[in-house]
Amino acid sequence: DTAVSQTPKYLVTQMGNDKSIKCEQNLGHDTMYWYKQDSKKFLKIMFSYNNKELIINETVPNRFSPKSPDKAHLNLHINSLELGDSAVYFCASSQDLTSEAFFGQGTRLTVV
Amino acid sequence: DQQVKQNSPSLSVQEGRISILNCDYTNSMFDYFLWYKKYPAEGPTFLISISSIKDKNEDGRFTVFLNKSAKHLSLHIVPSQPGDSAVYFCAASEFDNNDMRFGAGTRLTVKP
Repeated sequence: DTAVSQTPKYLVTQMGNDKSIKCEQNLGHDTMYWYKQDSKKFLKIMFSYNNKELIINETVPNRFSPKSPDKAHLNLHINSLELGDSAVYFCASSQDLTSEAFFGQGTRLTVV
Repeated sequence: DQQVKQNSPSLSVQEGRISILNCDYTNSMFDYFLWYKKYPAEGPTFLISISSIKDKNEDGRFTVFLNKSAKHLSLHIVPSQPGDSAVYFCAASEFDNNDMRFGAGTRLTVKP
């Protein structure tokens, strides 16, 4: 069983579209994260979601919004996609904000 | 399937001594490896990387060793400082492929 799973693995879409990336964890963790990986493979945190408390990185455009229907899911919605949104996005989960994190396999988003 | 494993969830060392964090991988196609450092409630920050054409890469107090035949890499921190206390993630990918896999992390505690 995959602990943290993201779907889809690859997503190609046109500028201006709205898309979602799903993330599910079966570890019973209370905290989930979304990261964006840049061209140098550095990870930049976008959101952390802990017990219904959302912590947002101020540099993230408001076109990006996390949605958590329940504790096991944290989906990433992106409105009005732009070329610069092309990247690999990683979801992760941990028991709390200080514990080790388990990462999903990543979703490669390409905006054309 | 967990292609990148960090079998020690935690490690405690004395200030001034060497910290050795280990990471094993199963996919022989991986040729680029990274270590990230994560403080509580923050995203991982890139620490050091190594490509498979090398067996050692050094940056200040941090050295990463790669043993391709054993599919094993390690991060050495010498001398360890209390500020090094964090969770360290190992990650691996194929250089031309953004499909990156992460270990679960090792929590390092450096005691004064």
